[in-house]
Amino acid sequence: EAGVAQSPRYKIIEKRQSVAFWCNPISGHATLYWYQQILGQGPKLLIQFQNNGVVDDSQLPKDRFSAERLKGVDSTLKIQPAKLEDSAVYLCASSLDVGWGTLFFGEGSRLTVL
Amino acid sequence: KQEVTQIPAALSVPEGENLVLNCSFTDSAIYNLQWFRQDPGKGLTSLLLIQSSQREQTSGRLNASLDKSSGRSTLYIAASQPGDSATYLCAVLGANNLFFGTGTRLTVIP
Repeated sequence: EAGVAQSPRYKIIEKRQSVAFWCNPISGHATLYWYQQILGQGPKLLIQFQNNGVVDDSQLPKDRFSAERLKGVDSTLKIQPAKLEDSAVYLCASSLDVGWGTLFFGEGSRLTVL
Repeated sequence: KQEVTQIPAALSVPEGENLVLNCSFTDSAIYNLQWFRQDPGKGLTSLLLIQSSQREQTSGRLNASLDKSSGRSTLYIAASQPGDSATYLCAVLGANNLFFGTGTRLTVIP
């Protein structure tokens, strides 16, 4: 069974530039999550989708971050414009259940903002 | 707001030792607790999930316990191996969010 796929694995940009990350969850998983993990910290939830609807985006900085899951499968997370403090690993996870169950994580996309 | 703490932040043990990692949380109203492993530069791998009604879960050399009333969980690793070296994170599921601790970085010395 293929795992959660993310790309790109690494991205370096200058502040005020934009960046987009892509995630393809495990086939059949209804719920998709984007997490931000700053070095030395635990992951923090940015947004949770159930199929193509947003369940929780309360911690998403909506002035600069956006995410979509238009067809209820893969998802894109965008940052525009980026700030230095956005440097982090962006992790995508999916779970089979419509609620919270075992989460399966991708390997993450590491963003460095200079 | 739920706060999850993991102590110690880092731990080094010789190969073969049994060890315990600790996780504490401030709000006992949780649905489940999960332990994850994270290797450098990698994502998280779920190790064990304990429902709020359960006291423990076991998988191979791993055993996780949950004491919801005291807000504590432990991950016991038996007969540690160098391949167990990684960061271990616990996460508790509240009403609508999964709260992570900052992890314990484990090094098993051959």
